[in-house]
Amino acid sequence: AQKITQTQPGMFVQEKEAVTLDCTYDTSDQSYGLFWYKQPSSGEMIFLIYQGSYDEQNATEGRYSLNFQKARKSANLVISASQLGDSAMYFCAMREGPRNTGFQKLVFGTGTRLLVSP
Amino acid sequence: EAQVTQNPRYLITVTGKKLTVTCSQNMNHEYMSWYRQDPGLGLRQIYYSMNVEVTDKGDVPEGYKVSRKEKRNFPLILESPSPNQTSLYFCASSPGLAETDTQYFGPGTRLTVL
Repeated sequence: AQKITQTQPGMFVQEKEAVTLDCTYDTSDQSYGLFWYKQPSSGEMIFLIYQGSYDEQNATEGRYSLNFQKARKSANLVISASQLGDSAMYFCAMREGPRNTGFQKLVFGTGTRLLVSP
Repeated sequence: EAQVTQNPRYLITVTGKKLTVTCSQNMNHEYMSWYRQDPGLGLRQIYYSMNVEVTDKGDVPEGYKVSRKEKRNFPLILESPSPNQTSLYFCASSPGLAETDTQYFGPGTRLTVL
């Protein structure tokens, strides 16, 4: 079974509008971390935002916020006021593995390609 | 500048010719990892290392080897590359093992095996 599911292969948004990229996850661990990365056409992976499973507040980083709904196991990325430079692939990822055992894996979804139009 | 570097960035090789992709980080990170990225599959972990001389397999280790003789370096070795190893490879590092520790990625190495 997929650990991270991103159901939107592609999304379109107009400049200055907000967009939500969906991510659902599956884990039996009580402690886990959720991440979003951006991959522009140049190929590098850029860390955007992190949410811990015990964090009560939704994470925010500038124009990025994470809509974390633990009971639904979803961690959607919200980008406010989209800019042309936001056009990229976006990956949701989860770190899982029992704490302090030394095992640590980052599991990725298949990504969502976002296109921002003028 | 804190960074993860990979070399080479692009490589075209032929089946069976041994190659090494180097990875180095200057942040004194404990944890390092290798991923491959293929269309429609996202990123999948190949190997990881929790510290010097401590390495373990990820999800797709077949056909790869790694070593961690120094904290800063984590090379990926393909002893006998095959066309199915054509992919985009990323090295990543993080400070430690807490779930809060963000992994920082290198710029990627695009490998083509003919």
